[in-house]
Amino acid sequence: DAKTTQPPSMDCAEGRAANLPCNHSTISGNEYVYWYRQIHSQGPQYIIHGLKNNETNEMASLIITEDRKSSTLILPHATLRDTAVYYCIVRVGGSSYKLIFGSGTRLLVRP
Amino acid sequence: GAVVSQHPSWVICKSGTSVKIECRSLDFQATTMFWYRQFPKQSLMLMATSNEGSKATYEQGVEKDKFLINHASLTLSTLTVTSAHPEDSSFYICSAERGTGGFEAFFGQGTRLTVV
Repeated sequence: DAKTTQPPSMDCAEGRAANLPCNHSTISGNEYVYWYRQIHSQGPQYIIHGLKNNETNEMASLIITEDRKSSTLILPHATLRDTAVYYCIVRVGGSSYKLIFGSGTRLLVRP
Repeated sequence: GAVVSQHPSWVICKSGTSVKIECRSLDFQATTMFWYRQFPKQSLMLMATSNEGSKATYEQGVEKDKFLINHASLTLSTLTVTSAHPEDSSFYICSAERGTGGFEAFFGQGTRLTVV
């Protein structure tokens, strides 16, 4: 079963920051937080992952609380192409460990 | 990012026939590949873990004799849906990880199977 809780849907205006929350209160010390997104009828796309520290890449920023029980994915300047379902997943790092998808958050970016 | 390719992108088959879906890692070697199924408006459901050179590990409730998985090389895994029925119609997606220590799973574009 998925170990994360996300709001089913959110929306934001184009050009504004989109902040997507995720609760993972039962996360273990060796589990990473991963974010993927799925645009309609495509395979999921990797966005970012982190363990303890905040992370940033060209797509997004990941803010993890100090107790690691929740995190927020930030898309700094959302565009219409960011409309997708965003999945927050916790998983033990390294290869061969399964990615178990929850229900995700459907983000709608409004013009 | 790395590229994972699935073939075909879509397929229509008759009830009772078998369909093979290929998943290839184009620019890296994948010791492990995963197969998912996704029904409309639902999340991805993991079906099985495919390990190169060994038998696949199936999730609970997934029939291993119906969904045959072969991972004969480090760049290719196949999923064969045998004796397909209309309820097998779904979006099938594979993912692959780079070697050992990989932290990113790369997904194929998916295969939409329709059984008529």
